[in-house]
Amino acid sequence: EADIYQTPRYLVIGTGKKITLECSQTMGHDKMYWYQQDPGMELHLIHYSYGVNSTEKGDLSSESTVSRIRTEHFPLTLESARPSHTSQYLCASSDISEQFFGPGTRLTVL
Amino acid sequence: AQSVTQLGSHVSVSEGALVLLRCNYSSSVPPYLFWYVQYPNQGLQLLLKYTTGATLVKGINGFEAEFKKSETSFHLTKPSAHMSDAAEYFCAVSEPGGGNKLTFGTGTQLKVEL
Repeated sequence: EADIYQTPRYLVIGTGKKITLECSQTMGHDKMYWYQQDPGMELHLIHYSYGVNSTEKGDLSSESTVSRIRTEHFPLTLESARPSHTSQYLCASSDISEQFFGPGTRLTVL
Repeated sequence: AQSVTQLGSHVSVSEGALVLLRCNYSSSVPPYLFWYVQYPNQGLQLLLKYTTGATLVKGINGFEAEFKKSETSFHLTKPSAHMSDAAEYFCAVSEPGGGNKLTFGTGTQLKVEL
C-alpha cells in the first residue's frame, strides 16, 4: 500500500544530542516537505525538495538540515538539539495537486 | 505572497447541528484550496480540495466547501455534526505552478457536544 512513514513517532532527548527524524514514502513522489507545528498552532514549512539532490529552505527559519539522496527518503537532522526545538515535525509528499502527510514525530528536548 | 485566515480558533456545535468553519484567503493568482483535518497525535488528512472546475466541492465524511472568488472564501460545512468530527481543521492555499507549497491557516478546533 502506498503510504508515507515517519519514525520515531515520539522522541525525548537531552540538550546537545544529534538527532535524525526519518521520513519515507512509497508513492514515487518527487516533491517532499517538512513542516514544524507547535501545539495548537499552524504548520510552518521548514524544508522542501523537488527531487533527488534538490533541497530548499522553507518559509520558517530552522536550524535543522535535510538531505535527499533517494526519491523515497527525506530525513531531517538536528546537529545539536535544544529545548527550543521541541515541537511536532510533519513530513509530506505531493503529486500534481495534493500533499499527503505522515503521522508526525513529536520531539521533546529536555 | 499568500495568506489564509481562519475565523474562530474554537468552534463548538451540538451533535446534529450544522458545522460551519470559515476560511478566507489572499492570493495574487487563482489558488488551489484545501481543507485538512488533524486528530490528536496524528498527521493531516485531506478532507477536500478545489483546483479548477465546479466551485462546490464535496469531500469525505459528509463535508463540503464552496469556492467564492468574489469573497475570497472557502468555508467548510457539514449539515449534521457527529461526535467523531471533533478535531482540528486547517485551511490551506497553494499557488498553481508554485511547487505545491502550502500556506496554512492557524486552524480551528471543532468541539461537538451532546
